[in-house]
Amino acid sequence: EVQLVESGGGLVQPGGSLRLSCATSGISFSTYDMHWVRQGTGKGLEWVAAIGTVHDTYYSGSVKGRFTISRENAESSLYLQMNSLRAEDTAVYYCVTEGRSSNWNDWFFDVWGRGTLVTVSS
Amino acid sequence: QSALTQPASVSGSPGQSITISCTGTSSDVGGYNYVAWYQHHPGRAPKLIIYDVTKRPSGASNRFSGSKSGNTASLTISGLQAEDEADYYCSSYTSSVTLVFGGGTKLTVL
Repeated sequence: EVQLVESGGGLVQPGGSLRLSCATSGISFSTYDMHWVRQGTGKGLEWVAAIGTVHDTYYSGSVKGRFTISRENAESSLYLQMNSLRAEDTAVYYCVTEGRSSNWNDWFFDVWGRGTLVTVSS
Repeated sequence: QSALTQPASVSGSPGQSITISCTGTSSDVGGYNYVAWYQHHPGRAPKLIIYDVTKRPSGASNRFSGSKSGNTASLTISGLQAEDEADYYCSSYTSSVTLVFGGGTKLTVL
């Protein structure tokens, strides 16, 4: 069974930093492109960042320059380093696997974690 | 990148069919056949129900179907059931090498 388990969420002050982790099991992690998706309270889903199998990275405009996505294949883990946090970053952050496709830009998400809540507030 | 446009809510009676639209631009929905749809019951993880505009992943009900015309994609749910009541989101790859979601549609089964 595929499992994605996020951790590291919590309460942080504006301007602060937080590092999210996603532990995976049941998949050959190194062969999967991975993403982070978030959902603010009462809001819709928002794509945050992606990392490919060759460690190529992509970011949404709202987090570029502040967030860094990374992976450690030896640990089957995905990370999201979040700096200069703002109130609008408050959300549940989901770790997701990208579905298998022959096209590198065919981005759809077939496995989702339960999410971890990040609250940015003073 | 602006969110794709979805109706805020739709409703239907059990057994009926409903369609949810998802409108973007030629830089996202209209430019690629990489539209996906997700079902999200509050408090649970979202679930993939359609990808590549029309494909259903294993485990997704065949009552879900997708289509696209120009810059607008659509999700049709036939034979509505009470368990279909949820939020539905579309997404599309974009020419900026990002992904954009729709604002979400709340489906109410009357």
